[in-house]
Amino acid sequence: GAGVSQSPRYKVAKRGQDVALRCDPISGHVSLFWYQQALGQGPEFLTYFQNEAQLDKSGLPSDRFFAERPEGSVSTLKIQRTQQEDSAVYLCASSSDRGVNQPQHFGDGTRLSIL
Amino acid sequence: DQQVKQNSPSLSVQEGRISILNCDYTNSMFDYFLWYKKYPAEGPTFLISISSIKDKNEDGRFTVFLNKSAKHLSLHIVPSQPGDSAVYFCAARRTRGGADGLTFGKGTHLIIQP
Repeated sequence: GAGVSQSPRYKVAKRGQDVALRCDPISGHVSLFWYQQALGQGPEFLTYFQNEAQLDKSGLPSDRFFAERPEGSVSTLKIQRTQQEDSAVYLCASSSDRGVNQPQHFGDGTRLSIL
Repeated sequence: DQQVKQNSPSLSVQEGRISILNCDYTNSMFDYFLWYKKYPAEGPTFLISISSIKDKNEDGRFTVFLNKSAKHLSLHIVPSQPGDSAVYFCAARRTRGGADGLTFGKGTHLIIQP
């Protein structure tokens, strides 16, 4: 499809396990964003890539969270030693240009549940 | 500290009438604003945006109004249709020298009654 694709859609892990979430942005989109959405809240910014460069990681809640985009297309968000408070929907978004007012287009998210 | 506030958790409107969703922000450096619509188990879908150099932007049934002095924006949907029932998020961004991510409100659940 032409939209942002995220996998898996659902992930259940035991506390302490590591997880990896994948995002395929819209083809040709330079900018890629990760957000975390807790139940009943709006999405909260985690990190931003322009091509392969991670330009902003100010929203990552702890050093257990790590994101990469090595070839400037697909991105992976990794969470190490998961905790129950990591349970949330993780959304990926992409947009076509950083400097211009372009909207971010979101995937359907990965719902992460930590038992 | 909520920089983008949607004070109405829910809103019920009759089909065919106007829906007005409100959003307030506290950061005067925000200069680009967006509205997203979200259905359950789906990601937010972009609806309409407005730059701070404008006070109104219209796209079909959707119009966004921006009042910079009041730090307030609103989304008008006319006429409201059953498919408009969803959660609507207001989002804002500072395009110069600020963080690249969007700051979202908590959302308003719009219910269109037949």
